[in-house]
Amino acid sequence: DSGVTQTPKHLITATGQRVTLRCSPRSGDLSVYWYQQSLDQGLQFLIQYYNGEERAKGNILERFSAQQFPDLHSELNLSSLELGDSALYFCASSVNPGTRSVYNEQFFGPGTRLTVL
Amino acid sequence: AQSVTQLDSQVPVFEEAPVELRCNYSSSVSVYLFWYVQYPNQGLQLLLKYLSGSTLVKGINGFEAEFNKSQTSFHLRKPSVHISDTAEYFCAVSASHGGNKLTFGTGTQLKVEL
Repeated sequence: DSGVTQTPKHLITATGQRVTLRCSPRSGDLSVYWYQQSLDQGLQFLIQYYNGEERAKGNILERFSAQQFPDLHSELNLSSLELGDSALYFCASSVNPGTRSVYNEQFFGPGTRLTVL
Repeated sequence: AQSVTQLDSQVPVFEEAPVELRCNYSSSVSVYLFWYVQYPNQGLQLLLKYLSGSTLVKGINGFEAEFNKSQTSFHLRKPSVHISDTAEYFCAVSASHGGNKLTFGTGTQLKVEL
């Protein structure tokens, strides 16, 4: 158990809908990362937050958005869902965001499996 | 930007045999290197990492990897595999100077057979 929790575990929805995935980081971790694992794209970085502020952006679609709240939990919002959005969405957390030459290990949650029908 | 290539999508091996999973990377800056394991229906677990220093790194479950800068490789090895090693293995990199985002390879499915 990494200490990172994600809810829900599974989500089934229809095209065009909107869903929210939730992540609670490990106690003491200030940085949260979202990754998408799909058959087409593999595992790819979506977005990173540190202490409530967006820190880095990857291949995140405009239909997707995220935020990190004052209690440090994060939510990933996916809207106008398409079949291709079906994937496993991972959240990870680290103590710090990773500054110059300072490594911060990322701990991964169990993921939320999204199925769009 | 960084990229990672895992040429072998599947590697079948008999139990107690040695295995090597190959990983090559490309980057214009210095990087940290990682191997993660994903068991069925589970999240990612860090197996081992190379940050600096000795190029041979040892990880959990008897795995080790060797960083080869000239060949830009970070191959994962285990001298004797067990059925429980059946899983998907991902090689990943992150830039060592700033930022923490991971760039993953496409994964190698290790299937250990009796």
